[in-house]
Amino acid sequence: ENVLTQSPGTLSLSPGERATLSCRASQSVSSSFLAWYQQKSGQAPRLLIYGASSRATGIPDRFSGSGSGTDFTLTISRLEPEDFAVYYCQQYGSSRTFGQGTKLEIK
Amino acid sequence: QVQLQESGPGLVKPSQTLSLTCTVSGDSISSGGYYWSWIRQYPGKGLEWIGYIYYSGSTYYNPSLKSRVTISVDTSKNQFSLKLSSVTAADTAVYYCAREVTVDPNYYFDYWGQGTLVTVSS
Repeated sequence: ENVLTQSPGTLSLSPGERATLSCRASQSVSSSFLAWYQQKSGQAPRLLIYGASSRATGIPDRFSGSGSGTDFTLTISRLEPEDFAVYYCQQYGSSRTFGQGTKLEIK
Repeated sequence: QVQLQESGPGLVKPSQTLSLTCTVSGDSISSGGYYWSWIRQYPGKGLEWIGYIYYSGSTYYNPSLKSRVTISVDTSKNQFSLKLSSVTAADTAVYYCAREVTVDPNYYFDYWGQGTLVTVSS
């Protein structure tokens, strides 16, 4: 099983700041097979990024994804109040696995 | 707009079988091009993929759950279902159904149901 480890566990920032979230895989992941999701309290996860760097429909361009191999990054260029949530990375392989999540909280 | 809605008992006794159904609207399961998946989220927030079914009936399960999981599809009702046998308290979670895009080379979950909490308790 390809284990995804996200860091940090919690990130405390202020609106307007830049957020950088990390996702590290225990085995190499094809860039096509790496996605990011946002989850707000009481809601289902929402797709943000697929193929490591492609934004899903309707996702603002302040969200960007990058990386390859075993290291991937989600960047939010300028935090808006509605961006404070939990973020998960996910990979597709012989199975599908999710990272444990990074909580982005208001400082 | 594609919508998925989970339904089923919110409380299941230990050792019994958990049964949930996902009703899809805004898309036809029979149209192909997607896998229809079940995913669960533990109270501690971790997400675990359970398995998927294709409209043809072919399935693929998480190896860690394979011995207890059955996913089936009813294309006439545009629904797919999950059965998880021999449940324990460790199966307590919010269960989501989701559509997985399978347009090579991209695979990702683009639509999710709202989720349903299933508690395993006597």
